[in-house]
Amino acid sequence: GQNIDQPTEMTATEGAIVQINCTYQTSGFNGLFWYQQHAGEAPTFLSYNVLDGLEEKGRFSSFLSRSKGYSYLLLKELQMKDSASYLCAVMDSNYQLIWGAGTKLIIKP
Amino acid sequence: ETGVTQTPRHLVMGMTNKKSLKCEQHLGHNAMYWYKQSAKKPLELMFVYNFKEQTENNSVPSRFSPECPNSSHLFLHLHTLQPEDSALYLCASSQDGSGANVLTFGAGSRLTVL
Repeated sequence: GQNIDQPTEMTATEGAIVQINCTYQTSGFNGLFWYQQHAGEAPTFLSYNVLDGLEEKGRFSSFLSRSKGYSYLLLKELQMKDSASYLCAVMDSNYQLIWGAGTKLIIKP
Repeated sequence: ETGVTQTPRHLVMGMTNKKSLKCEQHLGHNAMYWYKQSAKKPLELMFVYNFKEQTENNSVPSRFSPECPNSSHLFLHLHTLQPEDSALYLCASSQDGSGANVLTFGAGSRLTVL
């Protein structure tokens, strides 16, 4: 079966760096997405990786290794507003999105 | 308004009620989606409409009935629901239903079935 694994919850300190991992086993691969979802709000698109390597976008970076079935989202200079759930999703060979259960990130002062 | 708008934001209904969820997008997108989000579970795709045609129905019980009158509007009609149907129902849209399109989500309708 197809599966996406990511930690259920993580805690980090304001100003620090946190890495949220996502591992996947899917039927084929057509890209990996990260979305951010604040409590009670819509998920919003953060990044899309289809080739190996690191993509940087301001304080957020996303990394992909297709051979290892692995991605991470790196958040630098954490701010209180980064407290949210982070959803990893992989597009399989049929362009179906397979979702992880999300990682709830708690930022402490 | 811009983006994807869902109404109502909160809905409480009994198992014998009939209600509808509404979704509207002003992004000029041609694909619209219904997802179910339950606590600590992955998003579950329910229905997909591409250019007003239903292209996906992921074995959703018939007590959920979608309707897509045009590319901007999507409804989810609910009847004789079960308590386990209580969840956040998210609507999303994308440019079209093919390829690796970015989804734009609404804030969801929180449904409680008593």
